[in-house]
Amino acid sequence: GAVVSQHPSRVICKSGTSVKIECRSLDFQATTMFWYRQFPKKSLMLMATSNEGSKATYEQGVEKDKFLINHASLTLSTLTVTSAHPEDSSFYICSADYGGSSYEQYFGPGTRLTVT
Amino acid sequence: ILNVEQSPQSLHVQEGDSTNFTCSFPSSNFYALHWYRWETAKSPEALFVMTLNGDEKKKGRISATLNTKEGYSYLYIKGSQPEDSATYLCAFTNSGYALNFGKGTSLLVTP
Repeated sequence: GAVVSQHPSRVICKSGTSVKIECRSLDFQATTMFWYRQFPKKSLMLMATSNEGSKATYEQGVEKDKFLINHASLTLSTLTVTSAHPEDSSFYICSADYGGSSYEQYFGPGTRLTVT
Repeated sequence: ILNVEQSPQSLHVQEGDSTNFTCSFPSSNFYALHWYRWETAKSPEALFVMTLNGDEKKKGRISATLNTKEGYSYLYIKGSQPEDSATYLCAFTNSGYALNFGKGTSLLVTP
């Protein structure tokens, strides 16, 4: 149980285009999902917290107009990187809050974005 | 940003060796400490969530301890096997939601 999928696993796009990444909780409902990114040799860094039916909360330094997050259902959150630039090339990974008192978050396998 | 440090950065052991890693985190406003095991091209796998000072958790050959007063957690692997090769991440939270990750310890176990 507690499986999170992420699609696509790898994407290459041209500078100036937009890319959408999907995060799905397959066997549980997640009121809250999280988006992280990881640059080479760095830690996973939280970008934003996505709550179903409401606006996402962005961490300091993360542009909300550039990284659009939509959490329209209890099993799906999407991250759209708009007008991508080479410096947005990174590893993006989502997690879903399992809920209850377990404090557990379950992660997708991540998406490698390369902007050329 | 809450600073979470993991050591060592990488570790190479022989099959059968026991090993341990350290995670240090801010000791104030503690909520929970998570350990994950992350193999390449897979999702990070949740190993433990610990919330109380003195917590000790065990899962097969892997165990973890927690000291919230001094801000550290140890992860132990007894009798390492090649399939234990992975990156082990710890993450601290002071809110129950946002996780602050360390850079991980990369473990390689050779036969």
